Amino acid sequence: KQEVTQIPAALSVPEGENLVLNCSFTDSAIYNLQWFRQDPGKGLTSLLLIQSSQREQTSGRLNASLDKSSGRSTLYIAASQPGDSATYLCAVGPPGGGNKLTFGTGTQLKVEL
Amino acid sequence: GAGVSQSPSNKVTEKGKDVELRCDPISGHTALYWYRQSLGQGLEFLIYFQGNSAPDKSGLPSDRFSAERTGGSVSTLTIQRTQQEDSAVYLCASSSTGQSYEQYFGPGTRLTVT
Repeated sequence: KQEVTQIPAALSVPEGENLVLNCSFTDSAIYNLQWFRQDPGKGLTSLLLIQSSQREQTSGRLNASLDKSSGRSTLYIAASQPGDSATYLCAVGPPGGGNKLTFGTGTQLKVEL
Repeated sequence: GAGVSQSPSNKVTEKGKDVELRCDPISGHTALYWYRQSLGQGLEFLIYFQGNSAPDKSGLPSDRFSAERTGGSVSTLTIQRTQQEDSAVYLCASSSTGQSYEQYFGPGTRLTVT
C-alpha cells in the first residue's frame, strides 16, 4: 500500500526566505506526482504536476523535483511571501494513471512579515 | 472557464438522516473523483468515475455510501443513515484523460453530523 509522508509538518519562515518542502513515498511505481496548496476552509489548488518520466517542473517561484527511484519529491519556493501561507500537499498517482491519488499529510507553511 | 463546483458548501444534518452532495466537474472532463478530508484521516480517496466504465468504488468506507454520475457529467454522493464519524469535508475533482490526468478540485462540502 502506497504511503506518502511530508516533512516538516509545519514551518514558519520570515518573508523573503527560500524554502524546501519534502515529500516521500514508499512505492516508486507511480504515474505522476502532484503538488497542491490548500487555504483554510478552501479546496485544493493544483500547483505543479510531474510525470514519472520527468525530473522537475517549474512555475514562477515554484520548482518541484522528482526522484522516483528514491521515492522523493521536493517543492522549492523562492523568495517566500505572506501570500504563500497555506498547507501544501503532495499526492502520487498509481501506475496506469487516472485515479486514486494518495495524499501526504501536508506541510502547514506560515510566512511572516 | 468554470472550475469544479460543489453544493452545498456546508451541510449540517442529524445522525441517521440521509444526505446528498453534488459535484459539477469541469466541462469536457471525463474523469471524476470523490475524496474525503477529515481531521483524523487526512485526504482519502472514495470513488472514481471514468467515462462509461464501471466506477472504482474501492475507497467507499461502508455500504451507506454510494455515488452516481448522470450523463457523464454531474455526480451525486449519497450517504445514508449518517453517523458522526461521517463528519468531514467532501471534495470532488475532475480530470481529462490526456496524458497528465492532472486533477482539479472543487471547494468541497463541509458535512457536520450532529
